[in-house]
Amino acid sequence: KQEVTQIPAALSVPEGENLVLNCSFTDSAIYNLQWFRQDPGKGLTSLLLIQSSQREQTSGRLNASLDKSSGRSTLYIAASQPGDSATYLCAVHSGNTPLVFGKGTRLSVIA
Amino acid sequence: GAGVSQSPSNKVTEKGKDVELRCDPISGHTALYWYRQRLGQGLEFLIYFQGNSAPDKSGLPSDRFSAERTGESVSTLTIQRTQQEDSAVYLCASSFRRTVDETQYFGPGTRLLVL
Repeated sequence: KQEVTQIPAALSVPEGENLVLNCSFTDSAIYNLQWFRQDPGKGLTSLLLIQSSQREQTSGRLNASLDKSSGRSTLYIAASQPGDSATYLCAVHSGNTPLVFGKGTRLSVIA
Repeated sequence: GAGVSQSPSNKVTEKGKDVELRCDPISGHTALYWYRQRLGQGLEFLIYFQGNSAPDKSGLPSDRFSAERTGESVSTLTIQRTQQEDSAVYLCASSFRRTVDETQYFGPGTRLLVL
């Protein structure tokens, strides 16, 4: 059974810092991995999707990496801003199973 | 275009009552998913619809939970005889089709509180 773990559970940083969020999964036989952002009252927004054959994806200040063999992914946020404050969720897609989510990392960027 | 919408946004009910939660997916999306998110927990898959195929109900926690979908449009999640442990945010998502590279688009969720 696939399990997804996210570390840390919460993170507080001053504005402008670069930061890394971590995601690990137990079964490396995945099709893809997604990072989502969750804002209160607004549901989830997909940030980046990495296919199993890819090593990384970039979108603006966000960069996600994938090391499938070790069961790890990182989300790197450059030059953090207060608007980046949200909960970041990692989810893994394995075959015909539904997305399996981690519990998320709650990020606070302090101005 | 419009995203996934859910109603109601908040629902407070008494233990033992039935509740219905509604999801309107993005037009043209054939795949629809229901998830549950309890306080401090990750999202739990509940049920999945794909076109006219039989739904994947493998995530439903008990027979008190059921869901329907009319064609490729609206879906309703029904919880009968609600219990306090049913309190959670119920999220709906849709995608164009269920392939491995399809992004799921999420609605804002329904916050259910069972007293």
